[in-house]
Amino acid sequence: KQEVTQIPAALSVPEGENLVLNCSFTDSAIYNLQWFRQDPGKGLTSLLLIQSSQREQTSGRLNASLDKSSGRSTLYIAASQPGDSATYLCAAPYNTDKLIFGTGTRLQVFP
Amino acid sequence: NAGVMQNPRHLVRRRGQEARLRCSPMKGHSHVYWYRQLPEEGLKFMVYLQKENIIDESGMPKERFSAEFPKEGPSILRIQQVVRGDSAAYFCASSPPSEGANSPLHFGNGTRLTVT
Repeated sequence: KQEVTQIPAALSVPEGENLVLNCSFTDSAIYNLQWFRQDPGKGLTSLLLIQSSQREQTSGRLNASLDKSSGRSTLYIAASQPGDSATYLCAAPYNTDKLIFGTGTRLQVFP
Repeated sequence: NAGVMQNPRHLVRRRGQEARLRCSPMKGHSHVYWYRQLPEEGLKFMVYLQKENIIDESGMPKERFSAEFPKEGPSILRIQQVVRGDSAAYFCASSPPSEGANSPLHFGNGTRLTVT
């Protein structure tokens, strides 16, 4: 069974800080891991997908890493901005392609 | 290219009524997933469908809930005889046929169901 855990549950930082969000998963036999962003009252936006053969993926100020052996992924956000305020979710696939989500990290970046 | 479309955005039902939630996947996508998000909780998988087939419904409650994805038209999540505990946001996601879970899932904006 796949279980996904995210820490911290909430994070509040001043604008400009670099920050790291953590995700851990129990079943390391994954073929990818995805990070999503969810704004209040909205759906999820895919940020990064890391294939199991990769160790990291980058998109702009975002960098996600994957360590299958330890069952961990991190999302690094550089030079945070107020517009980055949202809930960040990681998800790992299990069995028949379904994604198992963590409970998310609620990020607030204040000016 | 329109994204995943869900309607209605908000749905209010009284206890005992039926709720029908619709999802039109992105153009060219034939895989549809339904997730439920209870207040202050994470997204929970409900069901995975391909055209005319239910692939995995291990997250669906055994009673009152059903899902379909017909050859023509949107995917429908149907909840019969709703109860207050069904109040949640229901999200639909889609992916293309050739890549399955190796393609990022595209989510709709959800349907927020309130049962009074």
